[in-house]
Amino acid sequence: EVQLVQSGAEVKKPGESLKISCKASGYTFTSYLIAWVRQMPGKGLEWIGLIYPYYSDARYSPSFQGQVTISVDKSISTAYLQWSSLGASDTAIYYCARLSDNNPSAYYGMDVWGQGTTVTVSS
Amino acid sequence: DIQLTQSPSTLSASVGDRVTITCRSSQYISSWVAWYQQKPGKAPTLLIFKASTLQSGVPSRFSGSGSGTEFTLTISNLQPDDFATYYCQQYYTYYTFGPGTKLEIK
Repeated sequence: EVQLVQSGAEVKKPGESLKISCKASGYTFTSYLIAWVRQMPGKGLEWIGLIYPYYSDARYSPSFQGQVTISVDKSISTAYLQWSSLGASDTAIYYCARLSDNNPSAYYGMDVWGQGTTVTVSS
Repeated sequence: DIQLTQSPSTLSASVGDRVTITCRSSQYISSWVAWYQQKPGKAPTLLIFKASTLQSGVPSRFSGSGSGTEFTLTISNLQPDDFATYYCQQYYTYYTFGPGTKLEIK
């Protein structure tokens, strides 16, 4: 079964660092891209960025550039999203999702999603 | 930046109804639109990509159309499981989601 399993909920204080994970199984990890999507409480979906696991090449939404870092560990088929200094506005659910390609003509949607990781930042 | 709007923001309908949700883009985006369904407390699921291509396993009562700047998602013969929030997504430049349309039971 193709699935993405994310790490558990986190409660952090402002200024702390955090790294959440997304472990892939059931498919060849390096044959697909992984995207990260934020959903703030009661709000819609926002694309954060994506990574090509084969190349460890990350691309970011201009809105999130410099705010987060996306990485992978191919040896364990896992993608990561990390913050060096959290703020209250980072409180949200973060989803990872699989996509076939970053080229529109070869993009078939974000077809597999993780269950989401809830991040709460509060003093 | 490409902005997406969706209308209506909330839609009340009954089981068996046919409903249409509209997604409009601030710029030309060809047919590079996907649609997702999200239920409370769950991750989104992919319904349609390339404006009208149904994802494998999605019931045929879901359909999509449009190109350029205006797109629609139509759900025929609404089922109880269809009451959820629906998002459009453009992937012409980066990825942007619409604000969502909440489909409620009348």
